[in-house]
Amino acid sequence: EVQLLESGGGMVQPGGSLRLSCAASGFTFSSYAMTWVRQAPGKGLEWVSSINGDDGSDGRAYYADPVRGRITISRDNPKNTLYLQMNSLRVEDTAVYYCGKSGSYYYNNWLDSWGQGTPVTVSS
Amino acid sequence: DIQMTQSPSSLSASVGDRVSITCQASQDITNYLSWYQQKPGKAPKLLIYDASVLETGVPSRFRGSGSGTDFSFTISSVQPEDFATYYCQQYDSLPLTFGGGTKVDVK
Repeated sequence: EVQLLESGGGMVQPGGSLRLSCAASGFTFSSYAMTWVRQAPGKGLEWVSSINGDDGSDGRAYYADPVRGRITISRDNPKNTLYLQMNSLRVEDTAVYYCGKSGSYYYNNWLDSWGQGTPVTVSS
Repeated sequence: DIQMTQSPSSLSASVGDRVSITCQASQDITNYLSWYQQKPGKAPKLLIYDASVLETGVPSRFRGSGSGTDFSFTISSVQPEDFATYYCQQYDSLPLTFGGGTKVDVK
């Protein structure tokens, strides 16, 4: 059974930093692209970032315009863990952040499993 | 960016009703479309991918169709556990984009 467990969320002041983690189990982690999606309070779903599967030859990362330059996605395959390093956080980054498993090695796919989400609040 | 226009934004239904939702892409996405169900306080759940393929374990009352720019999602007979918000998502090109959601509630 695929399981994804996010952690690392919390409250931070504008300009601050957080690192989110997503611990994966139940599948061959390195063979699948992974994605972060966020949902602001009372709003819809917004794609944040994706990273291709990484068997040593890819692991390419992609970012939404609102977060590019402030956020870095990475993966540690031996630890089966996905990360999202968020810097220079803004009030508008406030949301629940979900990690999702892609249906294939590449980012451009559906998300067939999701974590429970971790909340991030940016406020002074 | 590909805009996904989902309609209606909300609808009310009774158990046993047939419910339909549409999703229109701003450009051709072939069949690179998925549908998700989200209940309050929970993560989204994949129901359909590649526009019409039912995810394993999803009841057959859920159906997706369409290609190009026009897509539809149907629940043939709404059950009590189906009251939720539904989203479409395109994965043809970056940025990956979602429709605005359709909230299905009890009439």
